[in-house]
Amino acid sequence: EDKVVQSPLSLVVHEGDTVTLNCSYEVTNFRSLLWYKQEKKAPTFLFMLTSSGIEKKSGRLSSILDKKELFSILNITATQTGDSAIYLCAVEDGPGGGADGLTFGKGTHLIIQP
Amino acid sequence: ETGVTQTPRHLVMGMTNKKSLKCEQHLGHNAMYWYKQSAKKPLELMFVYNFKEQTENNSVPSRFSPECPNSSHLFLHLHTLQPEDSALYLCASSQVDRGLGYTFGSGTRLTVV
Repeated sequence: EDKVVQSPLSLVVHEGDTVTLNCSYEVTNFRSLLWYKQEKKAPTFLFMLTSSGIEKKSGRLSSILDKKELFSILNITATQTGDSAIYLCAVEDGPGGGADGLTFGKGTHLIIQP
Repeated sequence: ETGVTQTPRHLVMGMTNKKSLKCEQHLGHNAMYWYKQSAKKPLELMFVYNFKEQTENNSVPSRFSPECPNSSHLFLHLHTLQPEDSALYLCASSQVDRGLGYTFGSGTRLTVV
């Protein structure tokens, strides 16, 4: 079964709207949750979250983690057409001390209409 | 440029061919990864190399054979692939236990005919 579940899978909004993307997870040894933006090929790093309740911000994007309820949200305010992309949520799961890789959700395909 | 370079960008190969994908990272990281991205499926972790040692193989068929000669280079050798192996193959690197995230290359779009 899926360990990382993103919703919605696709979303179409108008320029200027605010969107909230969701990511829930279920893993054994949670270490961190990461958000990536994928436009054409290479996923580009947005945020890495390890602690509950601490919001991370970068311009119009922000994200927060809830380790008790096992989810994270990614907010984008005042959306622009350049925000159109697939947003990927991934969880780093492992005992630590080594490389464990990431478990990804299916992504949210966001389309911003002019 | 992300600091992780993959070649070739596109590859078309027949089911009887042998080819290799190459990944090089210029970030001084000590771990490298291969991921497969198929349509409508999550990115799937294939192989993990930590300090040049393979530490994970996620039940990948033997027609995929990884090689990591040093901490900056990673290869994926392909032979007798199937059409369902057509996908985007992404390489990533990270610095273990620094908490700085993973950096991805632009991928190789592989088509098996």
